[in-house]
Amino acid sequence: EAGVAQSPRYKIIEKRQSVAFWCNPISGHATLYWYQQILGQGPKLLIQFQNNGVVDDSQLPKDRFSAERLKGVDSTLKIQPAKLEDSAVYLCASSFGVGTPYNEQFFGPGTRLTVL
Amino acid sequence: AQTVTQSQPEMSVQEAETVTLSCTYDTSESDYYLFWYKQPPSRQMILVIRQEAYKQQNATENRFSVNFQKAAKSFSLKISDSQLGDAAMYFCAYSPPPDDKIIFGKGTRLHILP
Repeated sequence: EAGVAQSPRYKIIEKRQSVAFWCNPISGHATLYWYQQILGQGPKLLIQFQNNGVVDDSQLPKDRFSAERLKGVDSTLKIQPAKLEDSAVYLCASSFGVGTPYNEQFFGPGTRLTVL
Repeated sequence: AQTVTQSQPEMSVQEAETVTLSCTYDTSESDYYLFWYKQPPSRQMILVIRQEAYKQQNATENRFSVNFQKAAKSFSLKISDSQLGDAAMYFCAYSPPPDDKIIFGKGTRLHILP
């Protein structure tokens, strides 16, 4: 079974530039999550999709971050414009769906973003 | 607010020895899940073990076991017969149904000494 795919793996940009990350979840997984993991901290949920609808985006800085999951499969997370404090690893995870037993989340390898 | 606290930023253990990682959490919920996730260097996060709060029996997965103390809101991970491949960041995490959000602790970096 193929895992969660993310690209790019690494990205270096200047502050105020834009950047986009892509995630392809495990086939058949209805729920997709984007996390931000700052160095030395645990992952923090940014946004959660169930199919192509948003379940929770309460911690997404909406003035600069946006995310979409068209057609309920892959997803894109964008930052525009980037700030120094956005330097982090951005993790994508997927699961079968809210309400399924355990609803284990499977994580991708992450995208390491460095903002200079 | 629901929080997860890991008080040990780093730990070291000799290969083949046993080590225990500590975790406490705060919640007013009675039904929830607890997890330990492993994140090896530059590799993706994987689930090590999970515990349902309504189950009194401690979960076990091969060399990994937990000590779940619901009243004390404590959830420690014991790794027996430590191996070099166990070196990683370990995150304690909490998830209250039904929305399945996961709240992570800050992690404990585990070093295995040969």
